[in-house]
Amino acid sequence: DAEITQSPRHKITETGRQVTLACHQTWNHNNMFWYRQDLGHGLRLIHYSYGVQDTNKGEVSDGYSVSRSNTEDLPLTLESAASSQTSVYFCATQRQAMDEQFFGPGTRLTVL
Amino acid sequence: AQKITQTQPGMFVQEKEAVTLDCTYDTSDQSYGLFWYKQPSSGEMIFLIYQGSYDEQNATEGRYSLNFQKARKSANLVISASQLGDSAMYFCAMRNTGTASKLTFGTGTRLQVTL
Repeated sequence: DAEITQSPRHKITETGRQVTLACHQTWNHNNMFWYRQDLGHGLRLIHYSYGVQDTNKGEVSDGYSVSRSNTEDLPLTLESAASSQTSVYFCATQRQAMDEQFFGPGTRLTVL
Repeated sequence: AQKITQTQPGMFVQEKEAVTLDCTYDTSDQSYGLFWYKQPSSGEMIFLIYQGSYDEQNATEGRYSLNFQKARKSANLVISASQLGDSAMYFCAMRNTGTASKLTFGTGTRLQVTL
């Protein structure tokens, strides 16, 4: 079955370290998204991509970067982790612009 | 800018009763879509139901229905015959045609179904 996976599921890191969260999908969807979820804020969009070599900033993109070298993967990199980036991160895919988004299981990141 | 407001941080409902979760939105666009997602304690986000701004009828999916009142800019989720498994966080989200794919989420409502 087609699916979307995220790894790792849990990560603890230290302030200042570079961290990469993986997102892999087998649906062959062009559109992929990264969100962070924090209490009192719901889900907020970090970055998104409409296809290979396409990346765009969302509403909370500072301190994060993404790259899209193939259809299946959209890794999210925290260049220098900060305690404010402690959160649950969700990757999502979408077949086309008007469709619902399908979410991965999430990655819980703790920055000490 | 688009905004989603969910004013109920928590709700209780008895098993087998119906419950309405409120969602209001703000947008200047004429074309948009409204979504509801469920997040159980296990953490995954599960798509429930979708309503397009030009849809003339309220969306329904099994026990879920969306009470769409365009003039009031509200898109309330109605769950009929609540079950214990409905206990979860529920998020309302909006997609504007101008921003194509991007979703704006509300802060969520935690629903607890009791015996």
